[in-house]
Amino acid sequence: AQRVTQPEKLLSVFKGAPVELKCNYSYSGSPELFWYVQYSRQRLQLLLRHISRESIKGFTADLNKGETSFHLKKPFAQEEDSAMYYCALKTGANNLFFGTGTRLTVIP
Amino acid sequence: DSGVTQTPKHLITATGQRVTLRCSPRSGDLSVYWYQQSLDQGLQFLIQYYNGEERAKGNILERFSAQQFPDLHSELNLSSLELGDSALYFCASSPSRGGNTEAFFGQGTRLTVV
Repeated sequence: AQRVTQPEKLLSVFKGAPVELKCNYSYSGSPELFWYVQYSRQRLQLLLRHISRESIKGFTADLNKGETSFHLKKPFAQEEDSAMYYCALKTGANNLFFGTGTRLTVIP
Repeated sequence: DSGVTQTPKHLITATGQRVTLRCSPRSGDLSVYWYQQSLDQGLQFLIQYYNGEERAKGNILERFSAQQFPDLHSELNLSSLELGDSALYFCASSPSRGGNTEAFFGQGTRLTVV
């Protein structure tokens, strides 16, 4: 069965420090992975997807099939990055499963 | 604005009652997902519909049910409510079955069971 694991419920970093939000997945098929973000009082929205290999707001995520990971990274955290981050896996049947989320707090 | 509309925004009801949450997906989106978000559980997948048919079930209780209508809007019915059902319920929609398609979320319905 598919599973998305985000081991850290809470993560605090200082402004300007690097940040890494961990995500591991379990899926027998070919995974499609996403990071979604929920800022305070806003709806959940897509941050980035693995297939695009893009950098959004300074964030990148690389799919590592060997380690079944899709960690989200940013070299220099900003205060506006404080939010709830969800890693998500889409299966071949177009079902979208989320991890339990990591609340990132960037300390000024 | 994602284009996904959920009503009502807030709902307060008593234990044992039944409520219906409504979701209007983005125009043209055929897939609708329902999620429950509680403080300690994160975002839990409940159920997915595609073009009127149930596609997948997640951690949905038997007291809960959903349907998607011909106009593609969806309703989530919660019955025999318990205090632990208090949570944010999100609806999301996406365009199609496959591909690397993004899911667009509504603002959620906050349900409080007292």
